[in-house]
Amino acid sequence: GDSVTQMEGPVTLSEEAFLTINCTYTATGYPSLFWYVQYPGEGLQLLLKATKADDKGSNKGFEATYRKETTSFHLEKGSVQVSDSAVYFCALSKTDKLIFGTGTRLQVFP
Amino acid sequence: DSGVTQTPKHLITATGQRVTLRCSPRSGDLSVYWYQQSLDQGLQFLIQYYNGEERAKGNILERFSAQQFPDLHSELNLSSLELGDSALYFCASRGEGTDTQYFGPGTRLTVL
Repeated sequence: GDSVTQMEGPVTLSEEAFLTINCTYTATGYPSLFWYVQYPGEGLQLLLKATKADDKGSNKGFEATYRKETTSFHLEKGSVQVSDSAVYFCALSKTDKLIFGTGTRLQVFP
Repeated sequence: DSGVTQTPKHLITATGQRVTLRCSPRSGDLSVYWYQQSLDQGLQFLIQYYNGEERAKGNILERFSAQQFPDLHSELNLSSLELGDSALYFCASRGEGTDTQYFGPGTRLTVL
């Protein structure tokens, strides 16, 4: 069945470091891909999305490119801040529902 | 602020009890989704409603049910509660012509 696999966390970085959180997916067809972020004690916020191969989603300095050939949608940011500390979820949209990865916790220290 | 509201924010109850979680979608959104977030199962899709009609079902237990009312708000009813039902329950809504879902802040259910 369709699924999303994310790298295990936590990811621990110093402020201004480069961030990559890996996400790969298994799906038939061409699903839309999403990154959601969950800050401590809060709900899920849409971070970015891409709807077709080679699309790049971007928001707040975060980027992810829909790679059909490697079935990946890795999240990147050039310089993380302490305020980016949160749990990041990769997801795909399939038959109108979202299928989520297990989430990756990011901890950024000053 | 996503525009999706959920009440209550926290709910503490005992095993065997019944609770109702409420969700109001973003203005104009006809689709409402319910998800459960637990430590062992992660984020799982439960059920979807579209304009008052059930549209899709996921891993929803028979003890759970939902409905969407004419004003488009939705309620998730959980009955005969067990300790394992303790989780965060999220509601999301989606507008027409897009597959992007916007999530509410969630209801944290604790079953003692």
